[in-house]
Amino acid sequence: NAGVTQTPKFRVLKTGQSMTLLCAQDMNHEYMYWYRQDPGMGLRLIHYSVGEGTTAKGEVPDGYNVSRLKKQNFLLGLESAAPSQTSVYFCASSHLDRVGSTYEQYFGPGTRLTVT
Amino acid sequence: KQEVTQIPAALSVPEGENLVLNCSFTDSAIYNLQWFRQDPGKGLTSLLLIQSSQREQTSGRLNASLDKSSGRSTLYIAASQPGDSATYLCAVDRGSTLGRLYFGRGTQLTVWP
Repeated sequence: NAGVTQTPKFRVLKTGQSMTLLCAQDMNHEYMYWYRQDPGMGLRLIHYSVGEGTTAKGEVPDGYNVSRLKKQNFLLGLESAAPSQTSVYFCASSHLDRVGSTYEQYFGPGTRLTVT
Repeated sequence: KQEVTQIPAALSVPEGENLVLNCSFTDSAIYNLQWFRQDPGKGLTSLLLIQSSQREQTSGRLNASLDKSSGRSTLYIAASQPGDSATYLCAVDRGSTLGRLYFGRGTQLTVWP
Protein backbone atom coordinates (compact mmCIF):
# COMPACT_ATOMS: atom_id res chain seq x y z
CA ASN A 1 0.00 0.00 0.00
CA ALA A 2 1.92 3.02 -1.30
CA GLY A 3 -0.63 5.65 -0.22
CA VAL A 4 -0.36 8.81 -2.32
CA THR A 5 2.47 9.05 -4.85
CA GLN A 6 3.51 11.95 -7.07
CA THR A 7 5.50 12.06 -10.28
CA PRO A 8 7.95 13.69 -10.88
CA LYS A 9 9.69 14.71 -7.65
CA PHE A 10 11.58 17.59 -9.23
CA ARG A 11 11.28 19.51 -12.48
CA VAL A 12 12.76 22.61 -14.05
CA LEU A 13 10.81 24.28 -16.83
CA LYS A 14 11.40 27.27 -19.03
CA THR A 15 8.75 29.96 -19.29
CA GLY A 16 6.09 28.92 -21.77
CA GLN A 17 6.72 25.18 -21.56
CA SER A 18 3.98 22.79 -20.55
CA MET A 19 3.96 19.79 -18.25
CA THR A 20 1.69 17.42 -16.35
CA LEU A 21 2.05 16.37 -12.75
CA LEU A 22 0.66 12.97 -11.88
CA CYS A 23 -0.89 11.98 -8.58
CA ALA A 24 -1.90 8.41 -7.82
CA GLN A 25 -3.55 6.90 -4.75
CA ASP A 26 -4.23 3.26 -3.95
CA MET A 27 -6.63 3.77 -1.05
CA ASN A 28 -9.79 3.89 -3.17
CA HIS A 29 -10.46 7.46 -2.01
CA GLU A 30 -13.20 9.43 -3.67
CA TYR A 31 -11.76 12.89 -3.10
CA MET A 32 -8.49 14.25 -4.41
CA TYR A 33 -6.87 17.67 -4.19
CA TRP A 34 -3.97 19.68 -5.58
CA TYR A 35 -2.28 22.29 -3.36
CA ARG A 36 0.68 24.56 -3.84
CA GLN A 37 2.97 25.61 -1.02
CA ASP A 38 4.93 28.84 -1.19
CA PRO A 39 7.21 30.37 1.47
CA GLY A 40 5.21 32.48 3.90
CA MET A 41 1.91 31.62 2.20
CA GLY A 42 0.94 28.26 3.56
CA LEU A 43 -0.80 25.68 1.40
CA ARG A 44 -3.42 26.88 -1.04
CA LEU A 45 -5.94 24.75 -2.90
CA ILE A 46 -5.62 24.80 -6.71
CA HIS A 47 -8.26 22.29 -7.86
CA TYR A 48 -10.06 19.36 -6.37
CA SER A 49 -12.18 16.39 -7.41
CA VAL A 50 -15.00 14.66 -5.59
CA GLY A 51 -15.10 11.67 -7.92
CA GLU A 52 -14.05 10.18 -11.21
CA GLY A 53 -14.85 12.51 -14.08
CA THR A 54 -15.54 15.55 -11.86
CA THR A 55 -13.28 18.48 -11.02
CA ALA A 56 -13.73 21.91 -9.46
CA LYS A 57 -11.74 25.08 -8.90
CA GLY A 58 -10.10 25.89 -5.63
CA GLU A 59 -8.57 29.09 -4.34
CA VAL A 60 -5.85 29.64 -6.99
CA PRO A 61 -6.89 27.81 -10.20
CA ASP A 62 -5.62 30.25 -12.84
CA GLY A 63 -2.95 28.81 -15.13
CA TYR A 64 -3.74 25.20 -14.22
CA ASN A 65 -6.02 22.49 -15.55
CA VAL A 66 -6.86 19.12 -14.07
CA SER A 67 -8.37 15.81 -15.09
CA ARG A 68 -9.69 12.80 -13.17
CA LEU A 69 -10.24 10.13 -15.82
CA LYS A 70 -9.61 7.30 -13.37
CA LYS A 71 -10.55 7.22 -9.72
CA GLN A 72 -7.00 6.56 -8.59
CA ASN A 73 -5.33 9.31 -10.65
CA PHE A 74 -5.52 13.09 -10.54
CA LEU A 75 -3.49 15.05 -13.10
CA LEU A 76 -2.43 18.68 -12.83
CA GLY A 77 -1.46 20.43 -16.05
CA LEU A 78 0.41 23.64 -16.70
CA GLU A 79 -0.25 24.73 -20.29
CA SER A 80 2.23 27.62 -20.40
CA ALA A 81 4.45 27.77 -17.33
CA ALA A 82 5.27 31.11 -15.71
CA PRO A 83 7.88 31.96 -13.05
CA SER A 84 5.01 32.66 -10.62
CA GLN A 85 4.21 28.95 -10.75
CA THR A 86 7.51 28.08 -9.13
CA SER A 87 6.36 26.24 -6.04
CA VAL A 88 6.06 22.91 -4.30
CA TYR A 89 2.94 21.04 -5.37
CA PHE A 90 1.18 18.58 -3.11
CA CYS A 91 -1.52 16.13 -3.96
CA ALA A 92 -3.85 14.78 -1.30
CA SER A 93 -6.73 12.34 -1.10
CA SER A 94 -9.45 11.67 1.43
CA HIS A 95 -12.38 9.41 2.07
CA LEU A 96 -15.70 9.54 3.77
CA ASP A 97 -15.46 7.28 6.79
CA ARG A 98 -18.15 4.87 7.86
CA VAL A 99 -19.73 7.40 10.17
CA GLY A 100 -19.97 9.66 7.18
CA SER A 101 -18.56 12.74 8.81
CA THR A 102 -14.80 12.99 8.52
CA TYR A 103 -12.40 13.73 5.71
CA GLU A 104 -8.91 13.01 6.97
CA GLN A 105 -6.53 13.96 4.19
CA TYR A 106 -3.45 11.99 3.16
CA PHE A 107 -0.69 13.83 1.34
CA GLY A 108 1.86 12.84 -1.26
CA PRO A 109 5.58 13.73 -0.93
CA GLY A 110 5.35 16.75 -3.24
CA THR A 111 6.77 17.92 -6.56
CA ARG A 112 9.27 20.75 -6.50
CA LEU A 113 8.82 22.81 -9.68
CA THR A 114 11.06 25.67 -10.80
CA VAL A 115 10.12 27.83 -13.78
CA THR A 116 12.94 29.96 -15.18
CA LYS B 1 -13.17 33.76 4.13
CA GLN B 2 -11.59 31.51 6.72
CA GLU B 3 -8.27 32.84 8.04
CA VAL B 4 -6.02 30.53 10.02
CA THR B 5 -3.19 31.93 12.13
CA GLN B 6 -0.49 30.03 13.94
CA ILE B 7 1.59 31.42 16.76
CA PRO B 8 4.49 31.35 17.21
CA ALA B 9 6.00 31.15 13.72
CA ALA B 10 9.11 29.51 15.15
CA LEU B 11 10.00 27.91 18.45
CA SER B 12 13.28 26.54 19.77
CA VAL B 13 13.32 24.54 23.00
CA PRO B 14 15.64 22.15 24.85
CA GLU B 15 14.82 18.48 24.89
CA GLY B 16 12.35 17.40 27.56
CA GLU B 17 10.23 20.53 27.67
CA ASN B 18 6.46 20.44 27.39
CA LEU B 19 5.27 22.89 24.79
CA VAL B 20 2.13 24.37 23.28
CA LEU B 21 1.51 25.41 19.71
CA ASN B 22 -1.40 27.70 19.00
CA CYS B 23 -3.84 27.91 16.11
CA SER B 24 -6.67 30.40 15.72
CA PHE B 25 -9.36 30.66 13.05
CA THR B 26 -11.78 33.44 12.19
CA ASP B 27 -14.92 31.47 11.31
CA SER B 28 -16.11 29.20 14.12
CA ALA B 29 -18.42 27.24 11.79
CA ILE B 30 -15.88 24.52 11.12
CA TYR B 31 -16.41 20.86 10.26
CA ASN B 32 -13.17 19.59 11.70
CA LEU B 33 -9.59 20.66 12.41
CA GLN B 34 -6.42 18.77 11.61
CA TRP B 35 -2.86 19.08 12.85
CA PHE B 36 -0.11 18.03 10.44
CA ARG B 37 3.61 17.59 10.69
CA GLN B 38 5.93 18.46 7.79
CA ASP B 39 9.59 17.52 7.73
CA PRO B 40 11.95 19.52 5.48
CA GLY B 41 11.50 18.59 1.83
CA LYS B 42 8.73 16.14 2.67
CA GLY B 43 4.99 15.93 2.47
CA LEU B 44 2.48 16.37 5.27
CA THR B 45 1.70 13.72 7.83
CA SER B 46 -1.60 13.89 9.66
CA LEU B 47 -1.15 13.88 13.44
CA LEU B 48 -4.59 14.46 14.87
CA LEU B 49 -8.06 15.23 13.57
CA ILE B 50 -10.68 16.80 15.84
CA GLN B 51 -14.27 16.82 14.74
CA SER B 52 -16.32 19.92 15.50
CA SER B 53 -18.27 18.06 18.18
CA GLN B 54 -15.12 17.02 20.04
CA ARG B 55 -13.04 18.94 22.57
CA GLU B 56 -9.75 17.10 22.25
CA GLN B 57 -7.84 14.22 20.74
CA THR B 58 -4.76 12.42 22.03
CA SER B 59 -2.09 10.37 20.33
CA GLY B 60 0.92 9.34 22.39
CA ARG B 61 2.70 12.48 23.60
CA LEU B 62 0.43 14.72 21.53
CA ASN B 63 -2.80 16.26 22.69
CA ALA B 64 -4.88 18.63 20.59
CA SER B 65 -7.76 20.66 21.95
CA LEU B 66 -10.48 22.58 20.18
CA ASP B 67 -12.56 25.52 21.38
CA LYS B 68 -14.89 26.42 18.53
CA SER B 69 -16.56 29.31 20.29
CA SER B 70 -13.28 31.15 20.72
CA GLY B 71 -11.85 29.98 17.40
CA ARG B 72 -8.80 28.30 18.92
CA SER B 73 -6.95 25.04 18.93
CA THR B 74 -3.78 24.08 20.75
CA LEU B 75 -1.34 21.25 20.14
CA TYR B 76 0.40 20.13 23.31
CA ILE B 77 3.61 18.14 22.97
CA ALA B 78 4.80 16.45 26.14
CA ALA B 79 8.44 15.70 26.90
CA SER B 80 9.72 17.02 23.58
CA GLN B 81 12.48 15.16 21.72
CA PRO B 82 14.88 16.18 18.92
CA GLY B 83 12.88 13.94 16.60
CA ASP B 84 9.90 16.26 17.10
CA SER B 85 11.74 18.97 15.16
CA ALA B 86 9.56 19.82 12.16
CA THR B 87 6.99 22.33 10.98
CA TYR B 88 3.54 21.86 12.46
CA LEU B 89 0.56 22.96 10.40
CA CYS B 90 -2.99 23.54 11.50
CA ALA B 91 -5.84 23.25 8.97
CA VAL B 92 -9.58 23.73 9.28
CA ASP B 93 -12.36 22.24 7.19
CA ARG B 94 -15.43 24.45 6.86
CA GLY B 95 -17.47 21.69 5.27
CA SER B 96 -18.78 23.93 2.48
CA THR B 97 -16.52 22.21 -0.05
CA LEU B 98 -16.03 18.55 0.66
CA GLY B 99 -12.80 18.19 2.52
CA ARG B 100 -11.37 21.55 1.53
CA LEU B 101 -8.78 22.63 4.08
CA TYR B 102 -7.66 26.13 5.03
CA PHE B 103 -4.09 26.06 6.29
CA GLY B 104 -2.12 28.20 8.67
CA ARG B 105 1.47 29.08 7.80
CA GLY B 106 2.86 26.72 10.40
CA THR B 107 5.09 26.75 13.46
CA GLN B 108 8.68 25.68 12.85
CA LEU B 109 9.79 23.71 15.92
CA THR B 110 13.40 22.94 16.81
CA VAL B 111 14.13 20.71 19.79
CA TRP B 112 17.81 20.68 20.68
CA PRO B 113 19.55 18.01 22.75
